[in-house]
Parts: sequence; C-alpha cells; structure tokens
Amino acid sequence: DTGVSQNPRHKITKRGQNVTFRCDPISEHNRLYWYRQTLGQGPEFLTYFQNEAQLEKSRLLSDRFSAERPKGSFSTLEIQRTEQGDSAMYLCASSRGYEGTDTQYFGPGTRLTVL
Amino acid sequence: DAKTTQPNSMESNEEEPVHLPCNHSTISGTDYIHWYRQLPSQGPEYVIHGLTSNVNNRMASLAIAEDRKSSTLILHRATLRDAAVYYCIPYTSGTYKYIFGTGTRLKVLA
Repeated sequence: DTGVSQNPRHKITKRGQNVTFRCDPISEHNRLYWYRQTLGQGPEFLTYFQNEAQLEKSRLLSDRFSAERPKGSFSTLEIQRTEQGDSAMYLCASSRGYEGTDTQYFGPGTRLTVL
Repeated sequence: DAKTTQPNSMESNEEEPVHLPCNHSTISGTDYIHWYRQLPSQGPEYVIHGLTSNVNNRMASLAIAEDRKSSTLILHRATLRDAAVYYCIPYTSGTYKYIFGTGTRLKVLA
C-alpha cells in the first residue's frame, strides 16, 4: 500500500475564491471519507463514499461544499466562495469496507488558509 | 454516539511505559474501541482497536475494562517519536464515521 495521498498539501486563497482538493485513497479501498480539523480540535466528519455513491453528509457540509468520487477511485472536495471560517485542515481517509469494524487510514491532509 | 473522556495532556519520560486512559461509559455492547494518534502536521494514524478482550500489536497494547466503560492504551517504552495527540474512538458498526474528541496530548521527556 502506498497510503492515502492528498493534494495540494497547502492552499492559501482569498475570501470568495473557489478551491478544490484531491484525495487518492489506498487502491482497492472502496470507502472514502472527508474530515475537517480546526486548531486544537479533533477531526470532524464531513462526508463518506461507498465506491462512487455519496452515502452520508454532515450538517457541517454547507451548500458551498461539494464532494465527488466519479469512478469510485479518487475524490475531490470543492469549496465555493470560501470564507475565513473555512480555514482548517481537510483530511481524507479510506477503508476496505469490512463489516463489524473498519479501520480508516488517513492522508496527510490539505491545510487551507483563507485570507 | 458514545461520549469519551480523556485527560487533556500527559507527560512521560523516555523509555518508560505510558498508560493513556479513556472513559467511554456510554458505549454500546457492539461498539469497537479504536485508538489513533496524530503527530504534528500529519493525519491521524491507526494504533490499535479491540472489542472486549485485551489486544496487543507492535505499536501498543489495549486493555479494556471488563464492563467496557473504560480502556487504557499502553505504550510499553515511550520514545520521543511517540509524542502526539492520542484519540480514543468508540466505533459503531454501520455508522461509517469516527467521532473524535479532543484527545490526550502526550509529551515525552528526554
């Protein structure tokens, strides 16, 4: 396994701009998750994909946020009209999809700074 | 969702054992207990998980109380590289998401 990769690692943008992040999960992992982490807090769940289907979205995911996983492989998270409150670390994780328990493997994250 | 209580911070001397406690008194009978750690500027890293009995792997040991209301992550010999925030996460099968608390920040002293 090469691990979960995320790009870019850092993004600085001006308020009102759109940004897009990419996540490449571990190959053959059919579940993919997005989390957001602000300073001093633990990660917060945003959304989850089973293959290409987006099965759950947190209330944290406002209508300015959209996530896709078009072919069940990589995923993108887009934030439109960014606000300063969107500044955070955006984490992606993937898992095999076992029932019972299902270990999630996290990427290094994309740190977003909105000026 | 099960709530967890962990100390905000702990300190340990290098090469000494560390016991990181977690209280999860509202856990359901089928929830697994996962532990992750997060090193500075990195994503969370899986450490260990268990259901009822104690578990060991190359990174750590997990001791689960008989009533499952608490658990303890044991690092047998702390190193400077173990300095991180440690999260205890009860995982409910079928929810597909982790609910992180604020974790315990472990400081390892040389």
